[in-house]
Amino acid sequence: AQSVTQLDSQVPVFEEAPVELRCNYSSSVSVYLFWYVQYPNQGLQLLLKYLSGSTLVKGINGFEAEFNKSQTSFHLRKPSVHISDTAEYFCAVSGGATNKLIFGTGTLLAVQP
Amino acid sequence: GAGVSQSPSNKVTEKGKDVELRCDPISGHTALYWYRQRLGQGLEFLIYFQGNSAPDKSGLPSDRFSAERTGESVSTLTIQRTQQEDSAVYLCASSVGRMGEQFFGPGTRLTVL
Repeated sequence: AQSVTQLDSQVPVFEEAPVELRCNYSSSVSVYLFWYVQYPNQGLQLLLKYLSGSTLVKGINGFEAEFNKSQTSFHLRKPSVHISDTAEYFCAVSGGATNKLIFGTGTLLAVQP
Repeated sequence: GAGVSQSPSNKVTEKGKDVELRCDPISGHTALYWYRQRLGQGLEFLIYFQGNSAPDKSGLPSDRFSAERTGESVSTLTIQRTQQEDSAVYLCASSVGRMGEQFFGPGTRLTVL
């Protein structure tokens, strides 16, 4: 079985500060890893994904994530956040026959001026 | 091209009534997924369709839930005898085959009074 843990339900941060949103996963098979963002009153949008290859993955809006197999982690980082980055961020894992996504409970990134 | 569309955007119903939610996937996308997002929780997988193959119904929470898809077109999710715990945002996603990126619709917010 696969599962995803996002320990931080909310991360407050000041504008232009760096941020890291944590994600840990468990799986008995090879996995693909994703970060999705959900802006207020909008649908889910893919930020970035890890399928194979380089463990450092770059996504949209200046975000990046690093796949760490030994620590079963896929933390999301951004060196300098903007007010517009305020949103809910979901980490997800997929694998297996259907490629269904298993999501974490989400982290609300609250950027303050 | 159009993205994934869902209707209605909002649905308020009384406990015990049946509801039907609709998803129009992106044209050409053979895989279709339904997820549920309850307040304060992550997304839960409900059901997966891939072409004419038998669907993966492993995520449906009870026999009150059912879904249909004809070929590679529209899908409907039906909830019979709705309960208050069914209140959630129901999200549909489609992808080009089971390994493709999943594109999400805006969701249907279901409120059961």
